[in-house]
Amino acid sequence: GAGVSQSPSNKVTEKGKDVELRCDPISGHTALYWYRQSLGQGLEFLIYFQGNSAPDKSGLPSDRFSAERTGGSVSTLTIQRTQQEDSAVYLCASSWGGLNNEQFFGPGTRLTVL
Amino acid sequence: AQSVAQPEDQVNVAEGNPLTVKCTYSVSGNPYLFWYVQYPNRGLQFLLKYITGDNLVKGSYGFEAEFNKSQTSFHLKKPSALVSDSALYFCAVRIGGATNKLIFGTGTLLAVQP
Repeated sequence: GAGVSQSPSNKVTEKGKDVELRCDPISGHTALYWYRQSLGQGLEFLIYFQGNSAPDKSGLPSDRFSAERTGGSVSTLTIQRTQQEDSAVYLCASSWGGLNNEQFFGPGTRLTVL
Repeated sequence: AQSVAQPEDQVNVAEGNPLTVKCTYSVSGNPYLFWYVQYPNRGLQFLLKYITGDNLVKGSYGFEAEFNKSQTSFHLKKPSALVSDSALYFCAVRIGGATNKLIFGTGTLLAVQP
């Protein structure tokens, strides 16, 4: 497709389980970002990839959160030992290289931790 | 600290009337400013950006924004509101340095009454 895609669209899990969220960026976009949207915290930056490298991981809330990007394309955000406070919508975005380019967002993955 | 403020949680306007959604920012250096719109259960859609140049920026769906350096503002405007403009609007600023992450405001819900 032409836009950023994310899967799954919804994920319900039990506390303590691990989850993986996937992002397929727009073809050719070298930069990829993960954000989290929740009622209490608004929109928060998590991590930024340029190619397969992550020069900014400053937004990851704890060491239970990790992300990787392979082949300069698909990215996976992994949350280990999920907690109820991890419940949120996880948004992925991508952009062309260059710091002035707008980011294009995917539809998000709604994560619910029971 | 670099930040964005959207002082209004909600803006109500009648269809056909002009609308303004306010945004102020605090950054060190030159600001790169963005507006995004979010429809229910959808990801964020890019509306417009200010990088440099003309203070009045035109974007998608008839929206425009005026950059005012002295007032550190970047208000979103539209001359004639439509019911279909009803959505959640986010102002964002790009943080400089090695990252391209966006810092978002808390969002303003725009409600356009027929």
